[in-house]
Amino acid sequence: QLQLQESGSGLVKPSQTLSLTCAVSGGSISSGGYSWSWIRQPPGKGLEWIGYIYHSGSTYYNPSLKSRVTISVDRSKNQFSLKLSSVTAADTAVYYCASYAGYFQHWGQGTLVTVSS
Amino acid sequence: DIVMTQTPLSLSVTPGQPASISCKSSQSLLHSDGKTYLYWYLQKPGQSPQLLIYEVSNRFSGVPDRFSGSGSGTDFTLKISRVEAEDVGVYYCMQSIQLPFTFGPGTKVDIK
Repeated sequence: QLQLQESGSGLVKPSQTLSLTCAVSGGSISSGGYSWSWIRQPPGKGLEWIGYIYHSGSTYYNPSLKSRVTISVDRSKNQFSLKLSSVTAADTAVYYCASYAGYFQHWGQGTLVTVSS
Repeated sequence: DIVMTQTPLSLSVTPGQPASISCKSSQSLLHSDGKTYLYWYLQKPGQSPQLLIYEVSNRFSGVPDRFSGSGSGTDFTLKISRVEAEDVGVYYCMQSIQLPFTFGPGTKVDIK
């Protein structure tokens, strides 16, 4: 059973870069069965898919965030990461990592990132 | 992007009574492979979303049979035959036929 755990800074200043990591346990991130996604949820609002990375390393980002997003994989640590640059208050949200194999089956517990000076 | 809409946005249900949520997509979710890429997730209070239904009508492992999904093309429905207290939360439909994946705004279900 896959388990995912987000970590990273909970407070980021405007214009800086948000950085989060998702540690995967219970399976290999290099497995061909999954791609690895980030999804966010502003406080009291709905879900927004940010993007994913395949086990091969290829990525796809939501066009609404594409110019600011980078998702990468560290196979040696069995984890993947999210970087979101030039953040504003609108990027304040709970950020979830999730595995995708036709549907989002495994989710992290989510981590709140607040953008504030 | 495919726009997902849901109605109603909130629903208050007496335990033991049925509930129904509608989801509509701005484009057909029927793929040429014959599958329809429509999913339902439930986000219980304070929790991460969890998969209920995949490809319109298939209950995910462990999901009670009081949950059922139906629909085709652009119109879909999630039904709960007899609502229980543990069913409270926000229900989201999601499409994955086209990137970016998009979610509906959510339907908040609570107990009367």
